[in-house]
Amino acid sequence: EAGVAQSPRYKIIEKRQSVAFWCNPISGHATLYWYQQILGQGPKLLIQFQNNGVVDDSQLPKDRFSAERLKGVDSTLKIQPAKLEDSAVYLCASSLALMAGGTGELFFGEGSRLTVL
Amino acid sequence: KQEVTQIPAALSVPEGENLVLNCSFTDSAIYNLQWFRQDPGKGLTSLLLIQSSQREQTSGRLNASLDKSSGRSTLYIAASQPGDSATYLCAYSGAGSYQLTFGKGTKLSVIP
Repeated sequence: EAGVAQSPRYKIIEKRQSVAFWCNPISGHATLYWYQQILGQGPKLLIQFQNNGVVDDSQLPKDRFSAERLKGVDSTLKIQPAKLEDSAVYLCASSLALMAGGTGELFFGEGSRLTVL
Repeated sequence: KQEVTQIPAALSVPEGENLVLNCSFTDSAIYNLQWFRQDPGKGLTSLLLIQSSQREQTSGRLNASLDKSSGRSTLYIAASQPGDSATYLCAYSGAGSYQLTFGKGTKLSVIP
């Protein structure tokens, strides 16, 4: 079974430039997550989709970050304009549909490492 | 506010030792707790998932326990091997919350 696919694996940009990351979840997984992991920290949830609807985007810096999942499968995360503090690994994860009481088992991709100079 | 603490932050053991990694969380009303492994420059690999109705889960040399009343989980690794060297993260989902809250992880080094 194919896992969660992400691209690009690495990206280096200047501050104030824009960048986009792509994610393809495990087939059949209705729920998709974008996490930000800063070096030495645990992942922090940015946005969570159930099919193509947003479940939680409370920690997404909406002035510069945006994400979409138009057809309920692939998703893109965009940063515009980037700041130095956005340097991090952006992890995509997926799970089966949300359970009645909470989230199910999450499966992560390899991540996209962003360096902002 | 949901918080997860993992102690110790780093651990170095000789090959063959049994070891325990600790995780504590602030919310007693949890839905499930998940342990992950992260190798340098890689994503997270799911190791064990414990539902709130369970007390432990086992997979090979790994055993994870959950004590909701004390807000603690432990990951036991038996007969450690150099290939076990990685960062281990625990994360939990609070009941009624769809957000998974992570700890900062414990970096494990198993010395041959």
